[in-house]
Amino acid sequence: DTGVSQDPRHKITKRGQNVTFRCDPISEHNRLYWYRQTLGQGPEFLTYFQNEAQLEKSRLLSDRFSAERPKGSFSTLEIQRTEQGDSAMYLCASSQMGGTEAFFGQGTRLTVV
Amino acid sequence: GQNIDQPTEMTATEGAIVQINCTYQTSGFNGLFWYQQHAGEAPTFLSYNVLDGLEEKGRFSSFLSRSKGYSYLLLKELQMKDSASYLCAVPSGNTPLVFGKGTRLSVIA
Repeated sequence: DTGVSQDPRHKITKRGQNVTFRCDPISEHNRLYWYRQTLGQGPEFLTYFQNEAQLEKSRLLSDRFSAERPKGSFSTLEIQRTEQGDSAMYLCASSQMGGTEAFFGQGTRLTVV
Repeated sequence: GQNIDQPTEMTATEGAIVQINCTYQTSGFNGLFWYQQHAGEAPTFLSYNVLDGLEEKGRFSSFLSRSKGYSYLLLKELQMKDSASYLCAVPSGNTPLVFGKGTRLSVIA
């Protein structure tokens, strides 16, 4: 297992378009997290899953954002009607339930033009 | 709620020791994490403290005082490759990890 994998690594899209990102966690990890990070800031929590259940969603997350983890393995994050303010690095992480360490993927850098 | 404060930037000399402080306020305490993040890369785990005191791991050590809501990361024998952002994070409520803004450390010759 090569760790947490995210696809694509980079995405440029026009304002108003929809985008979808994928995250493949470490195979034995049942927790999966999505974060967003802008330049000079720490990662900002978006949502997380335990197996296929979405347990928590940030109040800062607009209804244009939706995440799924249908079979408790990979996850997708969709942003509808993208805005320039959505430009950021979207990070995925995974961990074992009860584990102390979350492992991050390399992220998907989104640029909305 | 939660609030995490760290200095924005620090500069230190190669071979020296640097201490990066973090203060936090959280509803319920379930440990404190330090992550390292090089520019353009993913955060990588450095340490986890749940009990008071100092945890040493090679050149890096992390200290926690729960009563003071305070932690620090100590880096010894600084190397140029230690130039990175250092992120303090705590689980809070139903949120698994809440991160501070990070401290950007520059190691100079």
